[in-house]
Amino acid sequence: GAVVSQHPSWVICKSGTSVKIECRSLDFQATTMFWYRQFPKQSLMLMATSNEGSKATYEQGVEKDKFLINHASLTLSTLTVTSAHPEDSSFYICSASQGDRQETQYFGPGTRLLVL
Amino acid sequence: AQKITQTQPGMFVQEKEAVTLDCTYDTSDPSYGLFWYKQPSSGEMIFLIYQGSYDQQNATEGRYSLNFQKARKSANLVISASQLGDSAMYFCAHNLGGTSGSRLTFGEGTQLTVNP
Repeated sequence: GAVVSQHPSWVICKSGTSVKIECRSLDFQATTMFWYRQFPKQSLMLMATSNEGSKATYEQGVEKDKFLINHASLTLSTLTVTSAHPEDSSFYICSASQGDRQETQYFGPGTRLLVL
Repeated sequence: AQKITQTQPGMFVQEKEAVTLDCTYDTSDPSYGLFWYKQPSSGEMIFLIYQGSYDQQNATEGRYSLNFQKARKSANLVISASQLGDSAMYFCAHNLGGTSGSRLTFGEGTQLTVNP
């Protein structure tokens, strides 16, 4: 149990296009979902926290208009990278939480984005 | 702000031997959780072990144990009987409240290499 999927796993796009990444909790309801970004050889950096039905909370330095997050249901959150540029190339990984439970967040397998 | 420090960028261990990965944290909050994750080259984040700040005993999960020293604010991961498949990046993480709905702060990671 507690499986989180991400789609797509790989995406290559041209500069200026928008890319949508989906994060789904397959066998549980996720009250909270988190989006992280990881550059090569670096740690995970939290981008934003999203709760179902409400606006996402972005970390300092993360552009809200560039990284659009929607958490429309208890099993789905999406991250849209708008007008992507080469510097947005990174590994994006989501995690999902069942809320107040004393347990870990469950991570998706990640999405590698390459902007040409 | 919470801070997690992993002072070992890289560690090497012989197969079948034990290895300790260091982690220290900095928080003034009395309620928090400590986590260890393994990230192989595929990128997925694999949850290994959790320790709550109020837990009296050190957490253990199979070959993984967490050496929790609250007064020193350290949460070292001990891997016993290392296997070649243990070669990966290991991240220590921390959150406030110790529940899955709280944001995680990650350390910089330790790259573990298990030699045959």
